[in-house]
Amino acid sequence: SQQGEEDPQALSIQEGENATMNCSYKTSINNLQWYRQNSGRGLVHLILIRSNEREKHSGRLRVTLDTSKKSSSLLITASRAADTASYFCATALYSGNTPLVFGKGTRLSVIA
Amino acid sequence: EAQVTQNPRYLITVTGKKLTVTCSQNMNHEYMSWYRQDPGLGLRQIYYSMNVEVTDKGDVPEGYKVSRKEKRNFPLILESPSPNQTSLYFCASSTTSGGYSYNEQFFGPGTRLTVL
Repeated sequence: SQQGEEDPQALSIQEGENATMNCSYKTSINNLQWYRQNSGRGLVHLILIRSNEREKHSGRLRVTLDTSKKSSSLLITASRAADTASYFCATALYSGNTPLVFGKGTRLSVIA
Repeated sequence: EAQVTQNPRYLITVTGKKLTVTCSQNMNHEYMSWYRQDPGLGLRQIYYSMNVEVTDKGDVPEGYKVSRKEKRNFPLILESPSPNQTSLYFCASSTTSGGYSYNEQFFGPGTRLTVL
């Protein structure tokens, strides 16, 4: 039951540039979350944005949410080589105890 | 340190030999979950548990069992593993809000399982 779809699948940028990843989903959500995964390791929670919020910041991360378009974006500013990882969006639906549904991720490579 | 631990981290086994992957969290979280991650398929949920003695199927439960006898532990059992269960497995936990399981999840380091 894939809900979130990230775009692009892969992204390669130079250190210092900004990286933008997008997530689209299909049904109404309670919140949307972004996670980072370094190669083969566990996912790490980055940021949670609720359905009544439009924008949220955390350090170099900026997340926006457009519920009318059912989409979210994650912006990483001034990227570093250490930001190289896969980034996943996960949607939490309104309907009862349905679990978080993860997309397939965007693979970000930051070249030093 | 708040964490989710999994054991073993790596396991190579043969078809049909029962195995258990343990998961433990020290954050007193109500919600625990198991995922498998396969190339091109992302994370898929196997089973989840809202609290002690409460478990439910996720998207891909076939061939797996779980139990939740204590709040901190949520073992994943493969009664008769098959090669198509070769995967990277993650355990995760979170708090709940109003009985719902949509808060941020804390993930374990993963267990890489190979079934020959």
